[in-house]
Amino acid sequence: EPEVTQTPSHQVTQMGQEVILRCVPISNHLYFYWYRQILGQKVEFLVSFYNNEISEKSEIFDDQFSVERPDGSNFTLKIRSTKLEDSAMYFCASSADRQDNSPLHFGNGTRLTVT
Amino acid sequence: AQSVTQLDSHVSVSEGTPVLLRCNYSSSYSPSLFWYVQHPNKGLQLLLKYTSAATLVKGINGFEAEFKKSETSFHLTKPSAHMSDAAEYFCVVSESTGFQKLVFGTGTRLLVSP
Repeated sequence: EPEVTQTPSHQVTQMGQEVILRCVPISNHLYFYWYRQILGQKVEFLVSFYNNEISEKSEIFDDQFSVERPDGSNFTLKIRSTKLEDSAMYFCASSADRQDNSPLHFGNGTRLTVT
Repeated sequence: AQSVTQLDSHVSVSEGTPVLLRCNYSSSYSPSLFWYVQHPNKGLQLLLKYTSAATLVKGINGFEAEFKKSETSFHLTKPSAHMSDAAEYFCVVSESTGFQKLVFGTGTRLLVSP
């Protein structure tokens, strides 16, 4: 079965550094998402992306965050200047359609640790 | 805004006994509801979904859930637990803004003992 692939599985960075989290969605999917889970807290929606633009973003997704689909296969999340509170598990997801009967397929996540 | 409440942070069962993971939802309209499972070091896998069709929904690995509007509940059940069912389970509601914005519950960790 096709999978969403995320790399790296674990990233450690120093506060203030830029990080890029990478995702390869399922190949025929058109809708892409990032979610995150801070340790001990709920999984939270960050952003959805369709047709090369952000379709919706949460309050968490401020100017420090950006997403890009640079080459038609990868989908990246960039954090420009990381803060300690950005430490979390970041999940990429994709879906074939925007409707609820087209479920999201999630990757295994990237654990980001900011020191 | 939609929300879900998972009533138990941990549930412990013995192998072969029934599983019940409880979830209540809050929604201003007919919601789409999901259960996702997360095994250690793995991604979130869809177990089952309710999208206003049959109220009893069957999912993978013998799990099922029943949508009860009168009780605003969507509890997950399985007749007989297996050791491989030990994982974190998330009840999820979709905000259905047009682009699937999922709202997760806090999760229930299922522990299965031999």
